[in-house]
Amino acid sequence: KAGVTQTPRYLIKTRGQQVTLSCSPISGHRSVSWYQQTPGQGLQFLFEYFSETQRNKGNFPGRFSGRQFSNSRSEMNVSTLELGDSALYLCASRPLGGGPDTQYFGPGTRLTVL
Amino acid sequence: TQLLEQSPQFLSIQEGENLTVYCNSSSVFSSLQWYRQEPGEGPVLLVTVVTGGEVKKLKRLTFQFGDARKDSSLHITAAQPGDTGLYLCAGADTGNQFYFGTGTSLTVIP
Repeated sequence: KAGVTQTPRYLIKTRGQQVTLSCSPISGHRSVSWYQQTPGQGLQFLFEYFSETQRNKGNFPGRFSGRQFSNSRSEMNVSTLELGDSALYLCASRPLGGGPDTQYFGPGTRLTVL
Repeated sequence: TQLLEQSPQFLSIQEGENLTVYCNSSSVFSSLQWYRQEPGEGPVLLVTVVTGGEVKKLKRLTFQFGDARKDSSLHITAAQPGDTGLYLCAGADTGNQFYFGTGTSLTVIP
């Protein structure tokens, strides 16, 4: 099976712009989660989607949003970018059900805000 | 709220040495995962442990889940430069929410 894919891998934006990141989960996985990773804060949970519905949400401002499509692919959007949004954004998928729950990560999108 | 604390935060050792990384919490988890992450890449799953007291081995890596399912350890025997990376533990609660540890950055010097 192909792993989790994320596009683009690298992105440079300026303050005030918005950005959309894309994630394709492992085939058959219906849950997609998004994380922000920075050197100072580590891995921070953004949100999780399952069957096109947001299932869990972390403690991030409303500028961060996401959605999931019927084929389980997910997008994450950040509006009005700030310098502090520079980070590695990771997507993880899992099947949900049928055994111990384990997440599988994509390679990430490195976002730099100038 | 940081539920999982990892120690040590940084570790630099010589090739061939042994090491142990700890992942501790006051919360009970239904399962716990260990990942290794290299710079600029996503975390790669190493193991999932489910049962209290469970021990799993992956070549030179030994993982143990605490009896009370609140903590875990990762032991590496005869470390090699290829083991260099950021090691992350993650616990899943009964609501299927994941919580990540603070991470242990390991450097193995040839």
